[in-house]
Amino acid sequence: KAGVTQTPRYLIKTRGQQVTLSCSPISGHRSVSWYQQTPGQGLQFLFEYFSETQRNKGNFPGRFSGRQFSNSRSEMNVSTLELGDSALYLCASSSYRDGYTFGSGTRLTVV
Amino acid sequence: KNEVEQSPQNLTAQEGEFITINCSYSVGISALHWLQQHPGGGIVSLFMLSSGKKKHGRLIATINIQEKHSSLHITASHPRDSAVYICAAKRSQETSGSRLTFGEGTQLTVNP
Repeated sequence: KAGVTQTPRYLIKTRGQQVTLSCSPISGHRSVSWYQQTPGQGLQFLFEYFSETQRNKGNFPGRFSGRQFSNSRSEMNVSTLELGDSALYLCASSSYRDGYTFGSGTRLTVV
Repeated sequence: KNEVEQSPQNLTAQEGEFITINCSYSVGISALHWLQQHPGGGIVSLFMLSSGKKKHGRLIATINIQEKHSSLHITASHPRDSAVYICAAKRSQETSGSRLTFGEGTQLTVNP
């Protein structure tokens, strides 16, 4: 079956702009979680959505938000971008039976 | 102190060597995951453990719940095993949800 698809793969934005990243989970997986990876902080949990509801949230400012649609696809949005938001953003879909499957990530560069 | 700690941070081995990466955690967990990340960023889930031992090919993962410790072993290592290996814990007080806490990762380099 198809894996987790993240789009776009690469993105360059200017400080102050906003960005929207997309994640399509494995068919049948209702949980989608988002993570930020930076060289300094490693992998950190952003938030998780399940059946269109945010179920968990990490320690990130309110500029980071997300949503999930009825087909389980998820988007995350970062507003008022800062240089420190440059990172690899990963999403994972999961189920109790299958565990986690990660996407290839979106590499965001803020200039 | 991080809730999930890995050692070593960097590991260089010769092809064919037996490799062990360790992970210790300080919180109660419902499951521990071992992940592999290659250059370019993609992450592959290798194992999900809640007890005992699992084996897949040349990879073996063990967990000791009482000691809050897990190990990932690679037998007969090969240059294609070169990657970053990350352990990640799902806390047991979260009865639902998929929030993971990650170790810092171990950069493994296997030389031919």
